[in-house]
Amino acid sequence: KQEVTQIPAALSVPEGENLVLNCSFTDSAIYNLQWFRQDPGKGLTSLLLIQSSQREQTSGRLNASLDKSSGRSTLYIAASQPGDSATYLCALEGGANNLFFGTGTRLTVIP
Amino acid sequence: NAGVTQTPKFRVLKTGQSMTLLCAQDMNHEYMYWYRQDPGMGLRLIHYSVGEGTTAKGEVPDGYNVSRLKKQNFLLGLESAAPSQTSVYFCASQTGLETQYFGPGTRLLVL
Repeated sequence: KQEVTQIPAALSVPEGENLVLNCSFTDSAIYNLQWFRQDPGKGLTSLLLIQSSQREQTSGRLNASLDKSSGRSTLYIAASQPGDSATYLCALEGGANNLFFGTGTRLTVIP
Repeated sequence: NAGVTQTPKFRVLKTGQSMTLLCAQDMNHEYMYWYRQDPGMGLRLIHYSVGEGTTAKGEVPDGYNVSRLKKQNFLLGLESAAPSQTSVYFCASQTGLETQYFGPGTRLLVL
């Protein structure tokens, strides 16, 4: 069974800092990896999706990388803003339409 | 275009009671999913459907049943609620290789 780990569980940074969130997984046989954002009491919003054959994806201030050989993905957030405060979840699709989620990193950006 | 909606938003049940959670999507997506989210455990897949009239078990299906009689609706039923089913339930839908779109969640408390 796929195990997905996100470290750290919580992170606080001052506004303007660049930061990296980490995701590690145990089974490299994946279809894709996704990063989601979840605001308190809300559903999940997809940020980036990296197909298995890709190494990275970028959207605005966000850049996600995927290294299947080492079982790692990172989400890089540039010039962080208070509005970036949320919980960030990574999820891997391993086939059979099954997403395996990490437990998330709760990010707080301090003004 | 409402996306994915869930009914109800919050519910309190007594042990042994039954209820149905409704998920509706207006994006003509083939695939639909039910997840539960518990503190410290991440989201886990309960059941999913790859098309109208089809359902399949996910990671944690025990105690739940589902039906997909119409393409746009996916129902999750609890026949005899237990305190262990206290959770936040999320529905999602998907088409092809795109990301999953999530609803806002239903908070269920079983006393």
